[in-house]
Amino acid sequence: AQKVTQAQTEISVVEKEDVTLDCVYETRDTTYYLFWYKQPPSGELVFLIRRNSFDEQNEISGRYSWNFQKSTSSFNFTITASQVVDSAVYFCALSNFGNEKLTFGTGTRLTIIP
Amino acid sequence: DTGVSQDPRHKITKRGQNVTFRCDPISEHNRLYWYRQTLGQGPEFLTYFQNEAQLEKSRLLSDRFSAERPKGSFSTLEIQRTEQGDSAMYLCASSLGEYTEAFFGQGTRLTVV
Repeated sequence: AQKVTQAQTEISVVEKEDVTLDCVYETRDTTYYLFWYKQPPSGELVFLIRRNSFDEQNEISGRYSWNFQKSTSSFNFTITASQVVDSAVYFCALSNFGNEKLTFGTGTRLTIIP
Repeated sequence: DTGVSQDPRHKITKRGQNVTFRCDPISEHNRLYWYRQTLGQGPEFLTYFQNEAQLEKSRLLSDRFSAERPKGSFSTLEIQRTEQGDSAMYLCASSLGEYTEAFFGQGTRLTVV
């Protein structure tokens, strides 16, 4: 069975601080995909990144960066120089087949204090 | 076309009534997914379609739930004899293929009273 754990329920940081959201996953499959989604108050999930299990390279996209470590089954997400617009619930997810049957974590609510 | 559209955005119904939700995916997206999200939880997979074919259904989808995607365009999710435990946000997503980004709609919030 697959499982995604986001141990941080809520995080609050002051604007411009860096913040890291943790994600730990469990799967017996050797091929899998990891995702991060952002859910603002409007409700729709916004895709941030997909990473397959064979690509352990870290990725940076503007103020966002992701650290994938298979040895610890973690796929952590860091926001550098946080902004108020980053306030949202962030979900980590796992699947075996691309977009099919995503297993989501319980989410981390991030609040950026101006 | 600005994204995945879901209708209605909110639905309040009495226990025992039937409800139907609609999802219009992004044009030309052949994959369509339904998820359910309860308060404080992440979305849970319900079912997905490739074109008009329903390829997989979760165990969460009891026999009171049925989903269709006629002609591979919009999709409907019907819940018969609603129960209070059905209260949740129902999210629809679509993608061009298995390995392309999935775009989510804003969801339909169902409240069963």
